[in-house]
Amino acid sequence: DIQLTQSPSFLSASVGDRVTITCRASPGIRSNLAWYQQKPGKAPKLLIYTASTLQSGVPSRFSGSASGTEFTLTISSLQPEDFATYYCQQPGITFGQGTRLEIK
Amino acid sequence: QVQLQESGPGLVKPSETLSLTCAVSGGSISNTNFYWGWIRQPPGKGLEWIGHIYYSGSTYKNPSLKSRLSMSVDTSRNQFSLKLSFVTAADTAVYYCARILYTSGWPIDYWGQGTLVTVSS
Repeated sequence: DIQLTQSPSFLSASVGDRVTITCRASPGIRSNLAWYQQKPGKAPKLLIYTASTLQSGVPSRFSGSASGTEFTLTISSLQPEDFATYYCQQPGITFGQGTRLEIK
Repeated sequence: QVQLQESGPGLVKPSETLSLTCAVSGGSISNTNFYWGWIRQPPGKGLEWIGHIYYSGSTYKNPSLKSRLSMSVDTSRNQFSLKLSFVTAADTAVYYCARILYTSGWPIDYWGQGTLVTVSS
């Protein structure tokens, strides 16, 4: 089975901070990983796919990268609207457990 | 602008069948560039991929749900449907329908607003 381990589960940060969220995947998924943002009561929103491709309309402060089986979502300068929960996703059935990003 | 809208009962009894339909507007469900799928989220928990279907009718199902899951597509009505049989309280969740890119990784670029389905007698 493909496994995804997302960390941290919870992150407290301030407006303007640079934050990084990581997903560690099973070998073999290549660059097939996506990142989503979800706000309370709303459907998730696609941010990044194929590890580093920015979805149309998503601010450039969001970026994704990959190194082997470790995938990273970086927000370069947190804005108030970025406080949400973030999920990674591998092809098919697997989502990460989520990272809840809250205001410090 | 593509829009997806889920519809179906909000309350289902244990052991019965959960049925949902997703109406697609602003684009054709027969577009070869997309799959059409279902994702669910139990209250306060994370996301779970249920399955997806192509306009031709070919499907991918979460192995953990496969024996209870049926999906169909109606190209004439531009909608697709989900049936999950023998439901239990563990199937209580917000159910989202979604458009999935027919590309590496199956990213989801459009989501419905979600509909809460509660399994309870």
